[in-house]
Amino acid sequence: EVQLVETGGGLVRPGSSLKLSCATSGFTFSNTWMNWVRQAPGKGLEWVALIKDKYSNYEANYAESVKGRFTISRDDSKSRVYLQMNTLRDQDTATYYCTCSSYMRYYFDYWGQGVMVTVSS
Amino acid sequence: DVQMTQSPSNLAASPGESVSINCKASKSISKYLAWYQQKPGKANKLLIYSGSTLQSGTPSRFSGSGSGTDFTLTIRNLEPEDFGLYYCQQHNEYPWTFGGGTKLELK
Repeated sequence: EVQLVETGGGLVRPGSSLKLSCATSGFTFSNTWMNWVRQAPGKGLEWVALIKDKYSNYEANYAESVKGRFTISRDDSKSRVYLQMNTLRDQDTATYYCTCSSYMRYYFDYWGQGVMVTVSS
Repeated sequence: DVQMTQSPSNLAASPGESVSINCKASKSISKYLAWYQQKPGKANKLLIYSGSTLQSGTPSRFSGSGSGTDFTLTIRNLEPEDFGLYYCQQHNEYPWTFGGGTKLELK
């Protein structure tokens, strides 16, 4: 059974940093592309970041809204993916979902339950 | 960016009925559209990708159609577990974008 479990959310002040983690199991992590997708309260879904696998040189892509502030990374030895979020803004308040994509596919096969990040003074 | 517009925003139906949800892209995305179901307390579920290909485990009462800019998700013979939020997503080009969602409610 595929499992994706996000941790690391919380309440932070604008301008601060937070690092999300996603622990995975039930699939071959090393050749799976991993993403973060977020959803602001009462709003729709927004893709945030993608990290490809080692065969794609761990290439990362970001939404313009987070480029330069967020960094996605992965540890294949631990089957984990991370999202380092710096210079957080009120607009980053959302539930952040860890998702996986099959190789060279840009849709999201499986999702975690999500972790809430609240940015507020 | 490709803008995705879903309609209707809200839809009320009864078990046993059939419903359709539409998704329109601001430019051609070929066949590369996915549909997801979102329900409270559950992980989002991929239903359909590439316009009409059912993800493993998706019941056959779900079907997807369309290409280019116009797509439709049809659910036939609604079951009680089908009520929830539905989102479309284009997977043709970066950045991958979602529609605003359709809430399917019990009539």
